[in-house]
Amino acid sequence: NAGVTQTPKFQVLKTGQSMTLQCAQDMNHEYMSWYRQDPGMGLRLIHYSVGAGITDQGEVPNGYNVSRSTTEDFPLRLLSAAPSQTSVYFCASSYSQLTSTDTQYFGPGTRLTVL
Amino acid sequence: SQQGEEDPQALSIQEGENATMNCSYKTSINNLQWYRQNSGRGLVHLILIRSNEREKHSGRLRVTLDTSKKSSSLLITASRAADTASYFCATDHMYSGGGADGLTFGKGTHLIIQP
Repeated sequence: NAGVTQTPKFQVLKTGQSMTLQCAQDMNHEYMSWYRQDPGMGLRLIHYSVGAGITDQGEVPNGYNVSRSTTEDFPLRLLSAAPSQTSVYFCASSYSQLTSTDTQYFGPGTRLTVL
Repeated sequence: SQQGEEDPQALSIQEGENATMNCSYKTSINNLQWYRQNSGRGLVHLILIRSNEREKHSGRLRVTLDTSKKSSSLLITASRAADTASYFCATDHMYSGGGADGLTFGKGTHLIIQP
């Protein structure tokens, strides 16, 4: 198993550009989520999904869209990038939606810089 | 908003010594998890302790939980250079969307093991 994979590893955008961060898992996990990690801020939940066709907002959803058309994929879209979205983005998944009791598996991260 | 807060923010010890990190949280929890993050990598799950448990061991790791003080500690015994990493506590949290819970992470303790 590849686990949780993320592409790209690095990305530089100009303000106003759009892009999609890709996340895929091959463990047949129901629950998938996106976090952003900023220096001194820990990880903050952006959006999550408890299964194909179901998504919901986390702590910091503004400026981001998600969709879950398949169990395996959970892309994160930035429609109009802003410098405040400069961060490291992590995708995570778990077998069940009970994240409090289930181990989260994290991808390697995407480092995004918005100029 | 941050639920867990780790203390200290940074810790440097000699190889072979024990390392202790603390986590405090604000509201009632069901479970508490500890994760490790090596530089430039995603988070890796270390251990989960349930709210009705007071202590749990896994190899060189010992976790305690005091729900009356809303605090947890992670002890790494006989530290090794490979233990150099950031360590995060994570607690369950119900977001506004409801129907599923997510994890909130503290800001982490950066542990450096000096050879």
